Amino acid sequence: AQRVTQPEKLLSVFKGAPVELKCNYSYSGSPELFWYVQYSRQRLQLLLRHISRESIKGFTADLNKGETSFHLKKPFAQEEDSAMYYCALSGHGILTGGGNKLTFGTGTQLKVEL
Amino acid sequence: GAGVSQSPSNKVTEKGKDVELRCDPISGHTALYWYRQSLGQGLEFLIYFQGNSAPDKSGLPSDRFSAERTGGSVSTLTIQRTQQEDSAVYLCASSLRVLGGGSTDTQYFGPGTRLTVL
Repeated sequence: AQRVTQPEKLLSVFKGAPVELKCNYSYSGSPELFWYVQYSRQRLQLLLRHISRESIKGFTADLNKGETSFHLKKPFAQEEDSAMYYCALSGHGILTGGGNKLTFGTGTQLKVEL
Repeated sequence: GAGVSQSPSNKVTEKGKDVELRCDPISGHTALYWYRQSLGQGLEFLIYFQGNSAPDKSGLPSDRFSAERTGGSVSTLTIQRTQQEDSAVYLCASSLRVLGGGSTDTQYFGPGTRLTVL
């Protein structure tokens, strides 16, 4: 079974402070990990994916297979980063047969205060 | 171009009634997904369609839930005999294709339908 855990429901930081949104997963195969973001009154959208190894809006995330983690980081938080962030997993194990459906965590609400 | 659209945006119904939720995917996208976003539960996979293949229904919570996709485009999610625990935001997503053995295509989400069962 695949599972994604986001331990923090709410993370509040001051503008300019570093941000780390935690994500841990369990999966018995070779997963793909994603971060999705939902800004207020907007639809859910992809922020970044681990295979791209890119920085989006200053955010990065590194897949750590040893710790089964995919934490989202940004060195200096901005007010416009306030949003709901979801970590998600797509499985590609041999036994999956489940296509590309996403398993989401419960989300972390990031609030950046001035 | 136009993104994924869903209708209605809000639906209030009485317990026991049937409801139909509609999703129009991005033109040309062969894969279509339904998810449910419940308060405090995160997003839960329900069902997905890929081309002409049999749909993956493994996430449907009960036999009161069903979905179909006509002509490889528009999809309808039907909930029969609605219960209060069905109250949630139902999200639809589409992607260009499903890549076997490769990377997962980006899923583009619609605005959702907020269902309230009284």
